[in-house]
Amino acid sequence: GAVVSQHPSRVICKSGTSVKIECRSLDFQATTMFWYRQFPKKSLMLMATSNEGSKATYEQGVEKDKFLINHASLTLSTLTVTSAHPEDSSFYICSARVRDNEQFFGPGTRLTVL
Amino acid sequence: GQNIDQPTEMTATEGAIVQINCTYQTSGFNGLFWYQQHAGEAPTFLSYNVLDGLEEKGRFSSFLSRSKGYSYLLLKELQMKDSASYLCAVLDSNYQLIWGAGTKLIIKP
Repeated sequence: GAVVSQHPSRVICKSGTSVKIECRSLDFQATTMFWYRQFPKKSLMLMATSNEGSKATYEQGVEKDKFLINHASLTLSTLTVTSAHPEDSSFYICSARVRDNEQFFGPGTRLTVL
Repeated sequence: GQNIDQPTEMTATEGAIVQINCTYQTSGFNGLFWYQQHAGEAPTFLSYNVLDGLEEKGRFSSFLSRSKGYSYLLLKELQMKDSASYLCAVLDSNYQLIWGAGTKLIIKP
């Protein structure tokens, strides 16, 4: 199957700083990527849909100014958590859509805000 | 609203068979997925059903009944490594994945 990578896999930062997470499709082009957040023992929560060359579509309740998404190319989408706070600590996962019924997930990024 | 229900937790014995059920109510239907997720890791794809019936893939099988809004994942010859959460997800009319909360499967020796 297609491979999606995320970087970094783990990040620890101080409260108030910004953190950028990269999601790359390694062997295919992805016009659409998704960003999810997952709390411990909870299901995935879709944060936003990232479309190459256009603005991301955010789910209700997700602050677009706090979670900046940029899908600058067909193989890269970035999520920037701005002015991170401890409540932003979570597991962030991206996925890339290959066809309508196929999504491939990245390995996830564990964010810890102190 | 959109809703996917699956049991929170199940326990089974190594070598046995377990069935994890999933019922759904969504706006449109373009297929149902089962994913496996080990703690601290991203989900990995197990199966995809879009037509009624049973899809078998090794020790894992997935069944779908669209008229009943129902699916199950069947795991045979359980191994300790099968201890994980199993997520049911439905692709809705907008081709967005709607996720269940997951079923934590505990395998005992």
